[in-house]
Amino acid sequence: DAKTTQPTSMDCAEGRAANLPCNHSTISGNEYVYWYRQIHSQGPQYIIHGLKNNETNEMASLIITEDRKSSTLILPHATLRDTAVYYCIRFNTNAGKSTFGDGTTLTVKP
Amino acid sequence: GAGVSQSPRYKVAKRGQDVALRCDPISGHVSLFWYQQALGQGPEFLTYFQNEAQLDKSGLPSDRFFAERPEGSVSTLKIQRTQQEDSAVYLCASSLARLTIQETQYFGPGTRLLVL
Repeated sequence: DAKTTQPTSMDCAEGRAANLPCNHSTISGNEYVYWYRQIHSQGPQYIIHGLKNNETNEMASLIITEDRKSSTLILPHATLRDTAVYYCIRFNTNAGKSTFGDGTTLTVKP
Repeated sequence: GAGVSQSPRYKVAKRGQDVALRCDPISGHVSLFWYQQALGQGPEFLTYFQNEAQLDKSGLPSDRFFAERPEGSVSTLKIQRTQQEDSAVYLCASSLARLTIQETQYFGPGTRLLVL
């Protein structure tokens, strides 16, 4: 199965780091790990992606384990506007298909 | 600049009716994707175009679903003889280049289809 495994929901206090885990134990060598988030009634929004190395951009950091079987998305200082469903996706760049799971609903609380 | 747009944003159809959903990708984007998102679930891949060529339609749930992108820009997803189980949000996404180059997908707001 190409789906990833994520916790159904998580809470985070405003201003604290949010760490969202993802399991992709069957990932193959040509598959990237992408993270998107979806705020209610909107289309998914790209956050970050990586293959082997850890990545950081203005939105988040992505930590990928050495065996590539899991990864963690880190939002360093969560705000109320970060409340959304976060999807971890395996994306095969040799094919069109990407498989979303059901994501993690992150709720940032004041 | 303009993002991916979809129309209509909402569509109510009677069971058995045909519907057509439109996607305007970002100008110049080569790749275009359609997804179906049921309530409370993640998006499910339907089909993928590279320019006008439909390279993967493995996610289309039945032969009632048909997608086209005749000039390599605007795409239409058509559902014939709609059924209640077709009720979902239909998302369109585009990306700049071919998939051999890692590319971010930019999503539209979706069309919410309700079949009564």
